[in-house]
Amino acid sequence: ETGVTQSPTHLIKTRGQQVTLRCSSQSGHNTVSWYQQALGQGPQFIFQYYREEENGRGNFPPRFSGLQFPNYSSELNVNALELDDSALYLCASSYRDRGNNSPLHFGNGTRLTVT
Amino acid sequence: TQLLEQSPQFLSIQEGENLTVYCNSSSVFSSLQWYRQEPGEGPVLLVTVVTGGEVKKLKRLTFQFGDARKDSSLHITAAQPGDTGLYLCAGWAGGNQFYFGTGTSLTVIP
Repeated sequence: ETGVTQSPTHLIKTRGQQVTLRCSSQSGHNTVSWYQQALGQGPQFIFQYYREEENGRGNFPPRFSGLQFPNYSSELNVNALELDDSALYLCASSYRDRGNNSPLHFGNGTRLTVT
Repeated sequence: TQLLEQSPQFLSIQEGENLTVYCNSSSVFSSLQWYRQEPGEGPVLLVTVVTGGEVKKLKRLTFQFGDARKDSSLHITAAQPGDTGLYLCAGWAGGNQFYFGTGTSLTVIP
């Protein structure tokens, strides 16, 4: 089976710019979640996409937005980048059925640096 | 908001020693998972526990879910350098997100 893949692996942006991160989910999975992980900390939930719609959101401002495509791949967009947005962005896919979530399968993340 | 607190935050031990990592919360979870994350990679699932008091073993790793499903522990016997990594607990309360702990960074010195 194909695992979760993310691109790019590293990215450097300037404050105020916009960025798009991409994620291909594991085959057989229908749900994609995005997490932000600051250095030395646990991942923080940004949002989840299920059936191409946002299905839950953490404590992140509207300038964090996303999409899920019919093939279950997903994008995370961040507008008006701030220095504090520098982090590892993790995509995780899972299979959701009748309210039950299977364990998360993570990609290796995109390391975003905002200068 | 971090609902899960892990302790210790950092742990450096010699090869062959035993260790325990704790994951505590004031919230009840339907299930709890443990992940290990190595530098430059995403977290990898180690185990899922779903029943209060449940104990699961994975080779030298023993995982326990608290009776009230608010806490968990991970015990490693005879640690090896390959056990080095960031250990994360994550709780699922039935919604659409997993709440991750603060993480425990383990270094096993040969």
